[in-house]
Amino acid sequence: GDSVTQMEGPVTLSEEAFLTINCTYTATGYPSLFWYVQYPGEGLQLLLKATKADDKGSNKGFEATYRKETTSFHLEKGSVQVSDSAVYFCALFSGSARQLTFGSGTQLTVLP
Amino acid sequence: KAGVTQTPRYLIKTRGQQVTLSCSPISGHRSVSWYQQTPGQGLQFLFEYFSETQRNKGNFPGRFSGRQFSNSRSEMNVSTLELGDSALYLCASSLEPESTDTQYFGPGTRLTVL
Repeated sequence: GDSVTQMEGPVTLSEEAFLTINCTYTATGYPSLFWYVQYPGEGLQLLLKATKADDKGSNKGFEATYRKETTSFHLEKGSVQVSDSAVYFCALFSGSARQLTFGSGTQLTVLP
Repeated sequence: KAGVTQTPRYLIKTRGQQVTLSCSPISGHRSVSWYQQTPGQGLQFLFEYFSETQRNKGNFPGRFSGRQFSNSRSEMNVSTLELGDSALYLCASSLEPESTDTQYFGPGTRLTVL
């Protein structure tokens, strides 16, 4: 079945540091890939998505590229801010499973 | 456009009781999915409804059920509550249940079972 493996956390960075959160997936067919972010006490917010190989999703300075050859969708940001502190979830949606499959989440804390 | 709304936001129940959670999707969205989030199991898919029909179901016992109304609003019901049902229940809506479509999530209902 489908699965998503996400970099274990927690991750602690200083403000303006470079961020990478690794995400790899296993799926049949051609899934769409997503990054969601969850702030304390809230639901999930879509951060970015990519629907086919080599697509790059981007939003609020975050980027991720759909790499079919390595089955990866790593999240990057060049300069993190304290306000980026949250839990980040990598997810895939495949037409065959017709549901989102999530990674375990990565807690990010950014210190001033 | 208003986002996905869920009511109530918080619930406290005791073992053996039943509970009903409500979800109103984004206007125009016809697909509603439900997920359970717990610290131990993470985010797990419960079920998905489209045009009042359950199209897909996750690996949960029959105590978990749901339905969708003609206006796309959805409810989920958990009967005979157990301590392990304590979780954040998230509802998500999308235009169509297609792989390229985005699911937008509500704020969740925090259920505590005592």
